[in-house]
Amino acid sequence: DSGVTQTPKHLITATGQRVTLRCSPRSGDLSVYWYQQSLDQGLQFLIHYYNGEERAKGNILERFSAQQFPDLHSELNLSSLELGDSALYFCASSVGGSGSTDTQYFGPGTRLTVL
Amino acid sequence: AQSVTQPDIHITVSEGASLELRCNYSYGATPYLFWYVQSPGQGLQLLLKYFSGDTLVQGIKGFEAEFKRSQSSFNLRKPSVHWSDAAEYFCAVGAGGGGFKTIFGAGTRLFVKA
Repeated sequence: DSGVTQTPKHLITATGQRVTLRCSPRSGDLSVYWYQQSLDQGLQFLIHYYNGEERAKGNILERFSAQQFPDLHSELNLSSLELGDSALYFCASSVGGSGSTDTQYFGPGTRLTVL
Repeated sequence: AQSVTQPDIHITVSEGASLELRCNYSYGATPYLFWYVQSPGQGLQLLLKYFSGDTLVQGIKGFEAEFKRSQSSFNLRKPSVHWSDAAEYFCAVGAGGGGFKTIFGAGTRLFVKA
């Protein structure tokens, strides 16, 4: 158990809909990262927040957005969902603000299925 | 641009046999290198990391990795594989000097046969 929690575990929805994925980092961690894992794209970095501020953006679509709240939990919002958005979405957290050198602790993931 | 290549999509080894998973990276400066393991239905767990110093790095679960700058490689090894090591293994590289992203390889799935 990494100490990072993600809800929900599974999510099934229809095309065109909007969903929100939630992540609670480990106690004391200030950074939250979001990743998308799919069979064809592998593990793709989406976005990184540090202490409430966006730190880095990766391959995140304009239909996706995220935020980190004052209590440091984070939400990833996915809208106008398409079939290709079906994937595992991971959240990770770390103590510091460097997405390149900090050890990241991964949550169990949310499996999103778009029908 | 940074990139990570794991040439083997999957590998099968017998229980008790030795293991080496290959990883090649592309990065101009000294890289920060990681190996993560993902068991079925689980998130990723850090096995080991290399930032500087001794090029042979020891990790958890009996794994080690060796950084070879001349070959741009960071191969993961284990002398004797256990059935519980069956999982997917990801090599990753982070940019040094203030970079904010970690780039993951495509992963190598390890199968262990009895």
